[in-house]
Amino acid sequence: KNEVEQSPQNLTAQEGEFITINCSYSVGISALHWLQQHPGGGIVSLFMLSSGKKKHGRLIATINIQEKHSSLHITASHPRDSAVYICATGGGADGLTFGKGTHLIIQP
Amino acid sequence: DAGITQSPRHKVTETGTPVTLRCHQTENHRYMYWYRQDPGHGLRLIHYSYGVKDTDKGEVSDGYSVSRSKTEDFLLTLESATSSQTSVYFCATDGQGHQPQHFGDGTRLSIL
Repeated sequence: KNEVEQSPQNLTAQEGEFITINCSYSVGISALHWLQQHPGGGIVSLFMLSSGKKKHGRLIATINIQEKHSSLHITASHPRDSAVYICATGGGADGLTFGKGTHLIIQP
Repeated sequence: DAGITQSPRHKVTETGTPVTLRCHQTENHRYMYWYRQDPGHGLRLIHYSYGVKDTDKGEVSDGYSVSRSKTEDFLLTLESATSSQTSVYFCATDGQGHQPQHFGDGTRLSIL
């Protein structure tokens, strides 16, 4: 069973700061997912990646397969980025294995 | 958006009663999943389905059963609800496997 660890658990930052959330996992994977959950519950898929780097707007996700590590970066953070960010591995016939999430608060 | 509808959205019931949660999708996705989300544990897989009548257990399947008689519907049943099953339940779908998953809005279930 894959163990997925995220850090930090909680992060408070000022608007405009560069944010980094880390994810490490114990077993080789086919894909890693980054998800976002706003207060009130809805879960949205931000990225799915198996190698390299992906960018969408101010969000960047990277993965290092050899080191079993992924990072999610937010540039020019904004209060609307406040949410829980969840890393997950797997998919397909096995479903996802999730980290416990990083609670991010961006203060104006 | 995979057009996922969970029902009910909220339910309060008593210990020992049967409960069925429904997940309905309109995108003809092959894979469907039920997860539960709890403080301190995050999201965990309960059961999943890889086609009509094809289901399998996940990490926390004890006390739960599922059925998928049509591509669009995936039902989660608590045969005899216990307080430990108080949780928020999410349904998710994946079109072909190993694609981004689409999540429903969740069902908040309280067992008293």
